[in-house]
Amino acid sequence: QSALTQPASVSGSPGQSITISCTGTSSDVGSYNLVSWYQQHPGKAPKLMIYEGSKRPSGVSNRFSGSKSGNTASLTISGLQAEDEADYYCCSYAGSSTFEVVFGGGTKLTVL
Amino acid sequence: QVQLQQWGAGLLKPSETLSLTCAVYGGSFSGYYWSWIRQPPGKGLEWIGEINHSGSTNYNPSLKSRVTISVDTSKNQFSLKLSSVTAADTAVYYCARGIPNGYDILTGYYKSRYFDYWGQGTLVTVSS
Repeated sequence: QSALTQPASVSGSPGQSITISCTGTSSDVGSYNLVSWYQQHPGKAPKLMIYEGSKRPSGVSNRFSGSKSGNTASLTISGLQAEDEADYYCCSYAGSSTFEVVFGGGTKLTVL
Repeated sequence: QVQLQQWGAGLLKPSETLSLTCAVYGGSFSGYYWSWIRQPPGKGLEWIGEINHSGSTNYNPSLKSRVTISVDTSKNQFSLKLSSVTAADTAVYYCARGIPNGYDILTGYYKSRYFDYWGQGTLVTVSS
């Protein structure tokens, strides 16, 4: 059971926008804006897409954006493209007394 | 350009010890936390643990009793050992570079990490 809850799947048509949610608690996601997001294509290593809630690494398309409201972080992909079809994972610190990193269960994005 | 290259045995029997090594090419070895993350077939990511250049470690509480992560700064390498493996440990294992973030002024520690460079992954299968 992941400490961070994501929808199992989302879908959208090319050109549309979709949002993937990542729900934690006031101890982890809700405390600081430190959520990161990863894109993973089949058979490949994950790729960092968003860090510290809303920052994009160099080279990541500005179609990807991150935000947070309360205990829920969100990843929005605008102008959907076929190549965006992948699994997406959120990540945060666990908010426990000892250091621990936790991932969400992952969301499969299907571009229709 | 930073590259992480990992290797290790891909097939183990139950009760054996998993051993993987990750070499870091390019960039500094210090100032980062070097993590191991795994992914069972068809499932999500699980953080195993991390080490920094001075040998300070943090482990996932659920695996802590079986995990040892070590570092060899002379070779810019870090390694994972997971003892007493079972079929539940079958997964693709990744090494990754963790950037410390979220400085906590009260504790003097960074609260979190994000992972910007990953190894290629190693499938480890545990089967009798």
